[in-house]
Amino acid sequence: GAGVSQSPSNKVTEKGKDVELRCDPISGHTALYWYRQSLGQGLEFLIYFQGNSAPDKSGLPSDRFSAERTGGSVSTLTIQRTQQEDSAVYLCASSRGGGWTEAFFGQGTRLTVV
Amino acid sequence: EDQVTQSPEALRLQEGESSSLNCSYTVSGLRGLFWYRQDPGKGPEFLFTLYSAGEEKEKERLKATLTKKESFLHITAPKPEDSATYLCAGGRDDKIIFGKGTRLHILP
Repeated sequence: GAGVSQSPSNKVTEKGKDVELRCDPISGHTALYWYRQSLGQGLEFLIYFQGNSAPDKSGLPSDRFSAERTGGSVSTLTIQRTQQEDSAVYLCASSRGGGWTEAFFGQGTRLTVV
Repeated sequence: EDQVTQSPEALRLQEGESSSLNCSYTVSGLRGLFWYRQDPGKGPEFLFTLYSAGEEKEKERLKATLTKKESFLHITAPKPEDSATYLCAGGRDDKIIFGKGTRLHILP
C-alpha cells in the first residue's frame, strides 16, 4: 500500500482481556517500530524490527506485551490481560533502513481498557 | 542515557509572528535528526531529516537547522494551519528516540 496501515483504528476492551493490534508497513521497508502515546504525552518506544535480525524489545513495559513480524512484513502487537494503564494510542512506523532513515507512521490504534 | 528535550512545551503566536522551536539532544551514535508534525488524532507526519551540523532544510514556512547539540525549527510568518505539535527525534542504528514535542498554536 501507499502508506502504513494499522487496524483496528479503535479498540475498546474489558480489563483482563487480550488484544491484538495489526500493522501493515510500507512495501519494501525493512524496519518496523511500535510506539505508545498516552494522552498528552510523547512517543514511548516499545519494539523495533530490522530485517531478519532479532528484534529490540527493550521498550516493552512488561511481559504482558509481545510482538511478532511475519515474513518481514506484517506485524502484530499483542497485549495480554489488559490493564487500564494500557489505554493509549499505539503507533506503528516503518522505514527503509535503521535509525538513519526517516520513519513513516500509521494513524494509530486507540486502545481503551474499561 | 539518550535523551531528546524540546522547548517550549507550548507556544502561542499571532498569525505572521515568526519564532523558533528548540530541540536539545544527547543521543549516542546519532545517525539522523528528524522533525515531525502531529495533528490531533493522527500519526506523526515526517517533515525533515538532518544528518550533519550546519545542515539546513526548508519547506514552505518551516526551516530546520542542526548543530552538534541542538536543532531548531524556525517558523516564518506562520498561519493558523501551522498549528500542531512538532516532534523532534534522534535516530540511532537500533531505534528512533522522540522528544515530547512542542504544541504550537497560531492565532488568526
